[in-house]
Amino acid sequence: SQQGEEDPQALSIQEGENATMNCSYKTSINNLQWYRQNSGRGLVHLILIRSNEREKHSGRLRVTLDTSKKSSSLLITASRAADTASYFCAPNSGGGADGLTFGKGTHLIIQP
Amino acid sequence: NAGVTQTPKFQVLKTGQSMTLQCAQDMNHEYMSWYRQDPGMGLRLIHYSVGAGITDQGEVPNGYNVSRSTTEDFPLRLLSAAPSQTSVYFCASRLAGGSSYEQYFGPGTRLTVT
Repeated sequence: SQQGEEDPQALSIQEGENATMNCSYKTSINNLQWYRQNSGRGLVHLILIRSNEREKHSGRLRVTLDTSKKSSSLLITASRAADTASYFCAPNSGGGADGLTFGKGTHLIIQP
Repeated sequence: NAGVTQTPKFQVLKTGQSMTLQCAQDMNHEYMSWYRQDPGMGLRLIHYSVGAGITDQGEVPNGYNVSRSTTEDFPLRLLSAAPSQTSVYFCASRLAGGSSYEQYFGPGTRLTVT
């Protein structure tokens, strides 16, 4: 599996605003996943988008995928304090057992 | 389901000591993995397993051993702890094949080696 690169590394916004973070990767993928990690906790799966999908929604989350640019974005609308966390993307080239690879993530802080 | 559980939550070792980090899952997942996360870094894969009796090395395997005698358990052994192994360790599992690639993570073990 390959490592995605999240951008920006850190993001601070006011509660209620929208947060957008991006992920770039290098080689073709089967799917791309986004995970959230709250401070001191394990990663939690948020959403998976397949290579033949361009956009996917889940609650306040919207993920887009542009395979021609090898990039994805995660939009969190109407942010809340509880959204403060690190967000990681995991581009997945197939069903390999060798686990996902995670970059440094985007650290999102929601200011009250 | 308890999901993925890890014990202990915290551990302090002296250089040269050995210990085993425990990981168990009750979801009947074939694939299990161990990661380490250092401050400001992403997760790096240490070892993984595709099923009982089968393990393989990840990106940073040196200094660690694993075994998988059952589907449920995947312990990680530190043979001779070094300060460079101070980190947070996460175990993860997922189903093999199918259309779901979602990984389930344990809560982590915070290890300090002095």
